[in-house]
Amino acid sequence: DAEITQSPRHKITETGRQVTLACHQTWNHNNMFWYRQDLGHGLRLIHYSYGVQDTNKGEVSDGYSVSRSNTEDLPLTLESAASSQTSVYFCASGSGGPSPGELFFGEGSRLTVL
Amino acid sequence: GNSVTQMEGPVTLSEEAFLTINCTYTATGYPSLFWYVQYPGEGLQLLLKATKADDKGSNKGFEATYRKETTSFHLEKGSVQVSDSAVYFCAVTTSGTYKYIFGTGTRLKVLA
Repeated sequence: DAEITQSPRHKITETGRQVTLACHQTWNHNNMFWYRQDLGHGLRLIHYSYGVQDTNKGEVSDGYSVSRSNTEDLPLTLESAASSQTSVYFCASGSGGPSPGELFFGEGSRLTVL
Repeated sequence: GNSVTQMEGPVTLSEEAFLTINCTYTATGYPSLFWYVQYPGEGLQLLLKATKADDKGSNKGFEATYRKETTSFHLEKGSVQVSDSAVYFCAVTTSGTYKYIFGTGTRLKVLA
């Protein structure tokens, strides 16, 4: 069965360190997204990609970067982790087409920055 | 840009009670509307959707009607169960962007 997986599921790091969260999907979807979930804010879009070599900034992109070298993967990198980036991160993917379809979500990566 | 406003939770109901979770949106063009559900410790999953005005999405006893005149997409269920306890997210997107904008989520707790 097709799926979307995130790793690691839990990570504790220190301020200033670089962190990469992996996202891998086997749906062969063109569109991939990274969101962060925080109490009182719901899900906020960090970065998204509509295909290989395409990346776009979302509403809370400062301090984050992504790259899309193949269809299956969209890793999220925190260049220099800050305590404000402590959050639960969700990756999602969806197919293109004339109208938006369902988004499929990973199980989340909980990041703690000390 | 697109935005979604949901009623704040938590919402606590007794089993078999009627549920309404309000959602209003602002969007340009011809938005599609969605409700996603998040069970504890899991990612979000699609509950229902509607892609044009007056459409009714339904699934697992939940319903929501796309009301363009009031820019609303309220979620309803006639008789909730303990297993419906979760966080519910309203979302909007427009054709060609595929950018989903989510509301802040409403936590539902159903007591036996």
